[in-house]
Amino acid sequence: SYVLTQPPSVSVAPGQTARITCGGNNIGSKSVHWYQQKPGQAPVMVVYDDSDRPSGIPERFSGSNSGNTATLTISRVEVGDEADYYCQVWDSTTDHPVFGGGTKLTVL
Amino acid sequence: QVQLQESGPGLVKPSETLSLTCTVSGGSISTYYWSWIRQPPGKGLEWIGYIHYRGSTNYNPSLKSRVTISVDTSKNQFSLKLRSVTAADTAVYYCASLPPIKGSTTYFPDWGQGTLVTVSS
Repeated sequence: SYVLTQPPSVSVAPGQTARITCGGNNIGSKSVHWYQQKPGQAPVMVVYDDSDRPSGIPERFSGSNSGNTATLTISRVEVGDEADYYCQVWDSTTDHPVFGGGTKLTVL
Repeated sequence: QVQLQESGPGLVKPSETLSLTCTVSGGSISTYYWSWIRQPPGKGLEWIGYIHYRGSTNYNPSLKSRVTISVDTSKNQFSLKLRSVTAADTAVYYCASLPPIKGSTTYFPDWGQGTLVTVSS
């Protein structure tokens, strides 16, 4: 089955840029979706189809995907961005979704 | 965008059946697929399964032998049953919408708030 690998944690200072990676075999051939989950809350989709943003998501959130790595980039990080972030793809061989293990973003 | 709300017991005894219902509002259930996802305390997201409004299902192989997802279009609801539960099934259970696959992909745009189910005697 398809596996997505995320770093357990990323730390960044306020105002800086955070980059959260999601690794997978030839992930660049798939569409990657990203979710933000704050403590005690349900996940919220922040990027879909590699780089599109749902309505209401700030432009500070962007995504890219190439080769074996997809990246969620958060510019001008705010304290309120502190959360767990999950990547997700669709495994078309099984018609199952696959989630990464999640990355905890800490804003120092 | 639709709203989803999970409901059901927050405590289930070991070996019994966990039963949850998700009520969809703000749209018809007869559009998307509908999914259950869970998250054990302090851990990541685990997909459980999904159902089409016409009743076809697809389950996580690791849970398939114990899971049944059903849909009631007259009530705009879908449900989860997980049999023979153990402490390892303790988790926050989320229901989510799942648009039809387009271009070999789909995602979860709308989620319920989640409900904690504890398995304990």
